[in-house]
Amino acid sequence: NAGVTQTPKFRVLKTGQSMTLLCAQDMNHEYMYWYRQDPGMGLRLIHYSVGEGTTAKGEVPDGYNVSRLKKQNFLLGLESAAPSQTSVYFCASRLTVDSLYGYTFGSGTRLTVV
Amino acid sequence: SQQGEEDPQALSIQEGENATMNCSYKTSINNLQWYRQNSGRGLVHLILIRSNEREKHSGRLRVTLDTSKKSSSLLITASRAADTASYFCATDAGGTSYGKLTFGQGTILTVHP
Repeated sequence: NAGVTQTPKFRVLKTGQSMTLLCAQDMNHEYMYWYRQDPGMGLRLIHYSVGEGTTAKGEVPDGYNVSRLKKQNFLLGLESAAPSQTSVYFCASRLTVDSLYGYTFGSGTRLTVV
Repeated sequence: SQQGEEDPQALSIQEGENATMNCSYKTSINNLQWYRQNSGRGLVHLILIRSNEREKHSGRLRVTLDTSKKSSSLLITASRAADTASYFCATDAGGTSYGKLTFGQGTILTVHP
């Protein structure tokens, strides 16, 4: 029971480089979310998806793009990384919006942009 | 913008003592959830309380919700060193929010053996 798997776990990028963070879940969850966590600011929603082929903007979407071509995968892309995108990124999934079990989180990707 | 504000920001207690963390929020909710995050790890769901519930228990956890005051509390009884972690409240507005959660800034709990 892998749950939610995020790759990579760590990455260092130079300003202007691009990368894709992968989130994969094996629980057949409909809803998937990308959050970033910064010290003293809790978690902030970047983008989310309510099902295969759908995506929507969250609270802090600028500088990020997402895709959900397959139900089990939710990709987060940074086209031109900036130091302000240094953060820990968490992916989460949820079976339904009425689920009593809340989110299942991945273990995170620690990204540093220099 | 942060929906939940947590208090205290940090809490240090001895093993065996009870730990109480509080969360206040600003807008109406469908449910409120609590999560635990161990250092360097992802968040783990602890408990969900719906807006029409006032109290809920799960093992050593007790959660209360007062929608008139827009506040919730998490009580951990008989704390253990393994309870050392950050604890976050998160609110779900329901409706067309599609299960999106808005997280508070968290309470750092340290339980000394």
